[in-house]
Amino acid sequence: DAKTTQPTSMDCAEGRAANLPCNHSTISGNEYVYWYRQIHSQGPQYIIHGLKNNETNEMASLIITEDRKSSTLILPHATLRDTAVYYCIVRPRLTGNQFYFGTGTSLTVIP
Amino acid sequence: GAVVSQHPSWVICKSGTSVKIECRSLDFQATTMFWYRQFPKQSLMLMATSNEGSKATYEQGVEKDKFLINHASLTLSTLTVTSAHPEDSSFYICSAYTGQGGTGELFFGEGSRLTVL
Repeated sequence: DAKTTQPTSMDCAEGRAANLPCNHSTISGNEYVYWYRQIHSQGPQYIIHGLKNNETNEMASLIITEDRKSSTLILPHATLRDTAVYYCIVRPRLTGNQFYFGTGTSLTVIP
Repeated sequence: GAVVSQHPSWVICKSGTSVKIECRSLDFQATTMFWYRQFPKQSLMLMATSNEGSKATYEQGVEKDKFLINHASLTLSTLTVTSAHPEDSSFYICSAYTGQGGTGELFFGEGSRLTVL
């Protein structure tokens, strides 16, 4: 079952940073936070994941609060191609490698 | 990143027929693959975990006799929708996990859109 809460939708101006929040208040100590996005009618695309520390890669940055109860995905310079549904996933600890998707945030980048 | 390929990308079939969807990991071996189903404007729903060389593990509420999963090799898993009906029309997506513990990544196929007439 999904263990995350995300806003249903967000808008962001092209060229600006997009900050997508995720609440995972029941996260366990060794559960990772993953972010994926899905562009319409395609398979989801991996973005980033982390455990405790903030992470950055060529696509985005992941900021995890010290208590690990929430995180924020940051797209530093949003483009129109970043319009997608963004999913924050907490990977279950006891049930193997399964990934359960919540409802996600529909991000619209506006020209 | 790793590449997961699905085939066919879309399929239309008559009610009562069976449809097979293939999922291949092209550049890595995947001992575990996952099958998801997605209805329009909804999130992905995990259907089952496909384990190489053993029986698949189905999520609660998913009919194992309806959705047959075979993980014949470390690079191939198949989903067969048996006796398909219009309510089985959906977007089916497979994925494969590349790591151990919590350190790996889950890569997804392009999805297969099934329409049952």
